[in-house]
Amino acid sequence: DTAVSQTPKYLVTQMGNDKSIKCEQNLGHDTMYWYKQDSKKFLKIMFSYNNKELIINETVPNRFSPKSPDKAHLNLHINSLELGDSAVYFCASSQDSREDTQYFGPGTRLTVL
Amino acid sequence: QKEVEQDPGPLSVPEGAIVSLNCTYSNSAFQYFMWYRQYSRKGPELLMYTYSSGNKEDGRFTAQVDKSSKYISLFIRDSQPSDSATYLCAMSAFGGFKTIFGAGTRLFVKA
Repeated sequence: DTAVSQTPKYLVTQMGNDKSIKCEQNLGHDTMYWYKQDSKKFLKIMFSYNNKELIINETVPNRFSPKSPDKAHLNLHINSLELGDSAVYFCASSQDSREDTQYFGPGTRLTVL
Repeated sequence: QKEVEQDPGPLSVPEGAIVSLNCTYSNSAFQYFMWYRQYSRKGPELLMYTYSSGNKEDGRFTAQVDKSSKYISLFIRDSQPSDSATYLCAMSAFGGFKTIFGAGTRLFVKA
């Protein structure tokens, strides 16, 4: 059983398009995260949701909009994709917002052409 | 200055060597310290977790935290080719809320 799953695994698209990445966790965790990992492997938090409510929104362009339909799902929608959005996007979850152990999904490799 | 500094490597060692991976940080409020291992094309997985200063051992892995020097280390004894991965340090002041990751050190263990 996959604890944190993401779809799609790979996403190749043209500049200007809109795309979504989906994330689901079956761990019963209250908190979910989106991270961006660039080509230099630097992992940077983008958003954090606790029980479907946004608790962290780092300096991220408003073209990125997270949506949490329930506490097991946190999707990421990206409008007007730019070349600089190319990266690997990881979803993660933790028991709650104060729990340090985060469980990561396999990542979605986004390439914007 | 970044909050967390980590040498990206790569670090190449022969099988059986002792590996030392390190991170320095600037925020004295950090009190939760983690090491994650990330294999190529996979998500990071938690390897070690330490609260405040001190040592923690788990099999071939030892994590050390020196808060006075703002320096953390991960030691891998009897390194194996299967240890080849990127190792990311991570730390936070308030728990999972806003964990800061290092850039990761890429390790190669040669058979």
